[in-house]
Amino acid sequence: DSGVTQTPKHLITATGQRVTLRCSPRSGDLSVYWYQQSLDQGLQFLIHYYNGEERAKGNILERFSAQQFPDLHSELNLSSLELGDSALYFCASRPGQTDSPLHFGNGTRLTVT
Amino acid sequence: GQQVMQIPQYQHVQEGEDFTTYCNSSTTLSNIQWYKQRPGGHPVFLIQLVKSGEVKKQKRLTFQFGEAKKNSSLHITATQTTDVGTYFCAGRVGTGANNLFFGTGTRLTVIP
Repeated sequence: DSGVTQTPKHLITATGQRVTLRCSPRSGDLSVYWYQQSLDQGLQFLIHYYNGEERAKGNILERFSAQQFPDLHSELNLSSLELGDSALYFCASRPGQTDSPLHFGNGTRLTVT
Repeated sequence: GQQVMQIPQYQHVQEGEDFTTYCNSSTTLSNIQWYKQRPGGHPVFLIQLVKSGEVKKQKRLTFQFGEAKKNSSLHITATQTTDVGTYFCAGRVGTGANNLFFGTGTRLTVIP
């Protein structure tokens, strides 16, 4: 158990809809990262938050947004969903902005029909 | 775009054979981390390399960081079925950046 909790585990929704993915980092971790993993693909970096502030953006679509709350949990909002958004979305956390290892949650599998 | 590439993308080996995956970056990396993702699972941290030319071993796994800090490799000696999974390298690109770029991954299949 990595200590990182992601909910829900599975999500099935229709095109055009909006969903919210939730992540609770390990206790004490201030940094939260979001990654997208499409079928048989690598991990695409989406966004990084540190202590409530956005610190880096990767290949995140404008239809996607995220935030980190004062209690350090984070949410990834995906809107106007398209079939191609179907993927596994991972959240990972680490203590700070140092190069300590990332601890991944079990992911949320999103299926857009 | 993708800044860290891995080869091969897939590798099938007979149990007992060796396996190597290579990671290449277009830019100098501050450090490199390796992760393993079992089928249906999430990436799990294996090791971090920081120094130029660094070599680290974990039982049958040997990790190397290139002299120029632009490439790295993971070698598994005498593979076992428990080694099945996808191996990712991940590098921090540039000083001051906090985002970790993952390689494309190498999926290892071990045939008993």
